[in-house]
Amino acid sequence: DSGVTQTPKHLITATGQRVTLRCSPRSGDLSVYWYQQSLDQGLQFLIQYYNGEERAKGNILERFSAQQFPDLHSELNLSSLELGDSALYFCASTPGSRPHNEQFFGPGTRLTVL
Amino acid sequence: AQKITQTQPGMFVQEKEAVTLDCTYDTSDQSYGLFWYKQPSSGEMIFLIYQGSYDEQNATEGRYSLNFQKARKSANLVISASQLGDSAMYFCAMRGTGASGSRLTFGEGTQLTVNP
Repeated sequence: DSGVTQTPKHLITATGQRVTLRCSPRSGDLSVYWYQQSLDQGLQFLIQYYNGEERAKGNILERFSAQQFPDLHSELNLSSLELGDSALYFCASTPGSRPHNEQFFGPGTRLTVL
Repeated sequence: AQKITQTQPGMFVQEKEAVTLDCTYDTSDQSYGLFWYKQPSSGEMIFLIYQGSYDEQNATEGRYSLNFQKARKSANLVISASQLGDSAMYFCAMRGTGASGSRLTFGEGTQLTVNP
């Protein structure tokens, strides 16, 4: 158990819908990272938050947004869903914003768009 | 830009034997870190081992060791005494310190199958 929790574990929805994925980082970790793992794109970085502020952005679509709340949990919002958004979405956390020697991943949320 | 290359889509090994999973990287950062993760069929990402670019010794964690050759830009994972439970997808990843910040860049992965 990495100490990072993600809910829900599975999510099945239809095209055009909006969903919210939730992540709670390890106790004391201030940085949260979101990654997407899909068959065609592999594992790619979406966005990083540090202590409530956006720190870095990767290949995140405009239909996607994220935020980190004062209690440090983070949510990834996906809207106007398309079939190609079906993927495994991970969050990971580290203690600070600077590069760290470990980046622990949550169990992931498997999103299926029908 | 950072790039990780894993050239072995699939590898097979006999139980109790050692296996090496290849990873090469490209970066312009002077300081960087290299990671290996294991992803079993259940889907979770399990951190295995870390090597810093300035670490003089190769990292080891139990049966896992990282063969780091900086001049060749390679960071191969060696698994000794393979077990059936080692069957999984293995990802090499790196993070830098430049414009890419602390995000991880992953390779495409190697599917390892351990045969009894």
